[in-house]
Amino acid sequence: DIVVTQSPDSLAVSLGERATINCKSSQTVLYSSNNKNYLAWYQQKPGQPPKLLIYWASTRESGVPDRFSGSGSGTDFTLTISSLQAEDVAVYYCQQYYDTPYSFGQGTKLEIK
Amino acid sequence: QITLKESGPTLVKPTQTLTLTCTFSGFSLRTSGVRVGWIRQPPGKALEWLALIYWDDDKRYSPSLKSRLTITKDTSKNQVVLTMTNMDPVDTATYYCTHNSPWFGETHWGQGTLVTVSS
Repeated sequence: DIVVTQSPDSLAVSLGERATINCKSSQTVLYSSNNKNYLAWYQQKPGQPPKLLIYWASTRESGVPDRFSGSGSGTDFTLTISSLQAEDVAVYYCQQYYDTPYSFGQGTKLEIK
Repeated sequence: QITLKESGPTLVKPTQTLTLTCTFSGFSLRTSGVRVGWIRQPPGKALEWLALIYWDDDKRYSPSLKSRLTITKDTSKNQVVLTMTNMDPVDTATYYCTHNSPWFGETHWGQGTLVTVSS
């Protein structure tokens, strides 16, 4: 099974500043036949279900602000929020959907400094 | 527009069997490539992937819970049912059903249903 680990567990960033969250998988999630990384990022606000932000490691879901970006390949990935807004306060999860059982990271709680 | 909604008991006793129903709209499990999954989240904790059912009735389970889980579908009713046997207080969680895409991940989520296991 693929284990997914995020860092840090929590993060406090000033409004307008950059936030960076890391995600590491125990095995590659790069599918060689299409050169796509099967890694997604989700945002979960209190009392709400998670929301898909990014798939294929770097493709933003429709309607997601362009301050959110994903990068990385193979086993190491990053979610970056270029200029933190108040509404970005949430817990962020990465998930590998390369192979079942699909697995999530433990989450990163993002707060305003 | 895809929507999913979970339903089932909010309280179950230890050792009982939990049955949750996901009723969805905006897609069909008769369509090739479509999948519906279940994910849970204990209060204040991380997401845990549980199970997945495919349009062709293939099924996948979390290895740690496989002996306790069963996922089935009723395509005529647009429903997916998850059963979990031998419930324990550690199974207290919000249970979500999702529309899963093999290319994009969990694209749509239900609002979730909180299940408490207590005597």
